[in-house]
Amino acid sequence: AQKITQTQPGMFVQEKEAVTLDCTYDTSDPSYGLFWYKQPSSGEMIFLIYQGSYDQQNATEGRYSLNFQKARKSANLVISASQLGDSAMYFCAMRGASGGSYIPTFGRGTSLIVHP
Amino acid sequence: DTEVTQTPKHLVMGMTNKKSLKCEQHMGHRAMYWYKQKAKKPPELMFVYSYEKLSINESVPSRFSPECPNSSLLNLHLHALQPEDSALYLCASSQGSRTGGVRTEAFFGQGTRLTVV
Repeated sequence: AQKITQTQPGMFVQEKEAVTLDCTYDTSDPSYGLFWYKQPSSGEMIFLIYQGSYDQQNATEGRYSLNFQKARKSANLVISASQLGDSAMYFCAMRGASGGSYIPTFGRGTSLIVHP
Repeated sequence: DTEVTQTPKHLVMGMTNKKSLKCEQHMGHRAMYWYKQKAKKPPELMFVYSYEKLSINESVPSRFSPECPNSSLLNLHLHALQPEDSALYLCASSQGSRTGGVRTEAFFGQGTRLTVV
């Protein structure tokens, strides 16, 4: 079984500063994918970034980067130069490759508030 | 703009009503999902359709009935709901398991905010 843990219910950051959102995972699958989604108050889940278990380099997408530490089973999201529009819920998710199951398993989420 | 379209965006229904939620995608995805999400909680998987066949039903009550008429459409038929069914219902799609693999992120619609009165 897969498990995603996000231990920070809420985070606060000053505009233009960087913030790290924590995510740890547990799986017995040798091949897996890790995803981060942003959910603003409007409700839509927006895909941000992906990291594959065999990827050698940390993923980056614009201001988003993923600090992937495979041995520690962590996949933290780093948002650089925070903007007011970054205020939202952030969910870490994973997808395993075994057994034909491709269902994203979500963490409990972290609420990020960016202060001006 | 999302490439997964859900209608309606808001729905208020009585406990004796019958209504349907609709979801459409034109990305050629062969896996489609329904999730239920309560406030401040992660999405909970309800159903998965893979290549137009129901592959996963997470013990959802029969008052929720999914339908996948074709590879682009996914419906969720609602009947005799309870107030505790009030939630955000999210539709998502992704590449099918035969071609996708783990690099298959799911794309979500904006959701339908359902209120049962």
